[in-house]
Amino acid sequence: EIVLTQSPVTLSLSPGERATLSCRASQSVRSSYLGWYQQEPGQAPRLLIYGASTRATGIPDRFSGSGSGTDFTLTISRLEPEDFAVYYCHQYDSSPYTFGQGTKLEIK
Amino acid sequence: QVQLVQSGAEVKKPGSSVKVSCKASGAPSSIYAIAWVRQAPGQGLEWMGRIIPMFPRENYAPMFQGRVTITMDEATGTAYMDLRSLRYEDTAVYYCVTSMGVTDGYSWGSWGRGTLVTVSS
Repeated sequence: EIVLTQSPVTLSLSPGERATLSCRASQSVRSSYLGWYQQEPGQAPRLLIYGASTRATGIPDRFSGSGSGTDFTLTISRLEPEDFAVYYCHQYDSSPYTFGQGTKLEIK
Repeated sequence: QVQLVQSGAEVKKPGSSVKVSCKASGAPSSIYAIAWVRQAPGQGLEWMGRIIPMFPRENYAPMFQGRVTITMDEATGTAYMDLRSLRYEDTAVYYCVTSMGVTDGYSWGSWGRGTLVTVSS
């Protein structure tokens, strides 16, 4: 089973700042099968990025994904108030598919 | 895009079973696979398993193997997740999720709103 470790666990930033979230895999993940989700309290997760770097439909271009192999990054270029939420990475390359434990992005 | 409507909240006793449904509308014939993901209160996301209706083929996470069954009624576009031998730690929100296959890079883009299952004596 591929273990995904996200860092930091909590990230405190202000609106307008840049956020960089990391996801490290215990073994190599094909880039085509790495995704990122945003989850707000009481809501279902929303797909932001798939294939490591492709934005899902309707996702603003301030969200971008990068990386390959075992190291992946989600970057939010300029934080908006609605971006403060929990973010999960997800690998769907190798069964059982797995999620990272999440990064909580909070307002500083 | 596919819309997913899940069945309502359930309260179950330890040792019993629960069956949660997920009805797809919008473009149900375009669904490549359906999966179930759960989230315990205050915790992260946990992949349970998936079904690919066209084959059909199922895969389950080891921790649920033998205790969960995922099925799909293609005639009605409804997927089901059956979890048996319930324990207190199975208390969680259960989400169904779909993949449209190659058209969306096999990503998991459509989520139901979740079904709260509470295991309580």
